[in-house]
Amino acid sequence: DAGITQSPRHKVTETGTPVTLRCHQTENHRYMYWYRQDPGHGLRLIHYSYGVKDTDKGEVSDGYSVSRSKTEDFLLTLESATSSQTSVYFCAISAGQGEWETQYFGPGTRLLVL
Amino acid sequence: AQSVTQPDIHITVSEGASLELRCNYSYGATPYLFWYVQSPGQGLQLLLKYFSGDTLVQGIKGFEAEFKRSQSSFNLRKPSVHWSDAAEYFCAVGAGSGGGADGLTFGKGTHLIIQP
Repeated sequence: DAGITQSPRHKVTETGTPVTLRCHQTENHRYMYWYRQDPGHGLRLIHYSYGVKDTDKGEVSDGYSVSRSKTEDFLLTLESATSSQTSVYFCAISAGQGEWETQYFGPGTRLLVL
Repeated sequence: AQSVTQPDIHITVSEGASLELRCNYSYGATPYLFWYVQSPGQGLQLLLKYFSGDTLVQGIKGFEAEFKRSQSSFNLRKPSVHWSDAAEYFCAVGAGSGGGADGLTFGKGTHLIIQP
């Protein structure tokens, strides 16, 4: 499982409230990613990080922000949750050597916004 | 921008029969290609990957995939499926340096159903 944990694993929140999801890795990987998974859409990249304090946007970044203040933690924040952000959120890391790097995924966080 | 198409949303196969899941990609350079499997309520597990070299790649659980540049395809195959293979299968293409350092683009998935 590449030493990835996500917390919380399940969360129910109300529209308009802030939500922060945490991804923690234990193997000092440089690259970390946040994806969301929705029926009929597969997984879509939200944000990714290529080092401490270095982040970039993905395909569906609107309404999300991220932070990475230390190598092992990558936080995803929904500043004001909306029902359209109800989804399963997966964190991933990239592991391997150079061009053989491959992404490995955490167990996911199921978020319901009411 | 890259894209991935998995033409089959659902596939039903009898246990013991052969399987082929289709994947077509669109990418301007040499792609980094992946197949992942997701069991219900679980995360994604890497089945196999293609970066370069031999176009037929072997993966875990008896799966293999063949990269065909002329057809922009990376189809997943298994000679004999087991009931435990029932799951959602995702094809993905990587962009940026390495195996998709800038993130992966996924297809929408194929749901595999195994009939007894």
